[in-house]
Amino acid sequence: DTAVSQTPKYLVTQMGNDKSIKCEQNLGHDTMYWYKQDSKKFLKIMFSYNNKELIINETVPNRFSPKSPDKAHLNLHINSLELGDSAVYFCASSQGGSLGIQPQHFGDGTRLSIL
Amino acid sequence: AQSVTQPDIHITVSEGASLELRCNYSYGATPYLFWYVQSPGQGLQLLLKYFSGDTLVQGIKGFEAEFKRSQSSFNLRKPSVHWSDAAEYFCAVGKDTGRRALTFGSGTRLQVQP
Repeated sequence: DTAVSQTPKYLVTQMGNDKSIKCEQNLGHDTMYWYKQDSKKFLKIMFSYNNKELIINETVPNRFSPKSPDKAHLNLHINSLELGDSAVYFCASSQGGSLGIQPQHFGDGTRLSIL
Repeated sequence: AQSVTQPDIHITVSEGASLELRCNYSYGATPYLFWYVQSPGQGLQLLLKYFSGDTLVQGIKGFEAEFKRSQSSFNLRKPSVHWSDAAEYFCAVGKDTGRRALTFGSGTRLQVQP
């Protein structure tokens, strides 16, 4: 009954390949996020969706394309992978609304290694 | 734009000793502040949050944090550290309108000596 689940946990692939990471949350939240954590542990927002609508799109190469088929899922597709894409990618979710910002719940991360 | 600074990259304490991890934020309005903990190979777990009201907030695992507006700080404390507290700790700030994503500090790695 994991709240935010990401698959796969580990992803090792070669430069130039295309890969996807899937995320699902069963908390009934309306907002989902993708964060990237680099080798120095720095966490930075990449994308955010609210009720399937893109609301945050940081300065991320257009090789990265998020897709939200419904508000419980937010997938991340990456084209033409580069060495610099090696990182841990975290999915998170939260509930928006008039109560102000609510805590975000994080998945366990997907460790992407580019050979 | 909001920002978060965690001045200490790495801290080592002895088991049973007290702990204080520093966090300073920059934000124009009343911030929403969080502390998260990340154990090796794991995701981030929320320790505590501050939205408004009492400036001393209690969290899980015996942690607490104090919001000091005059110092733009939100330091995390624990009176007696356990070996299982060894992890990476992140302070984060958010806002309740528009861009709801969190801005994280660079983290503080805590080591606990026996």
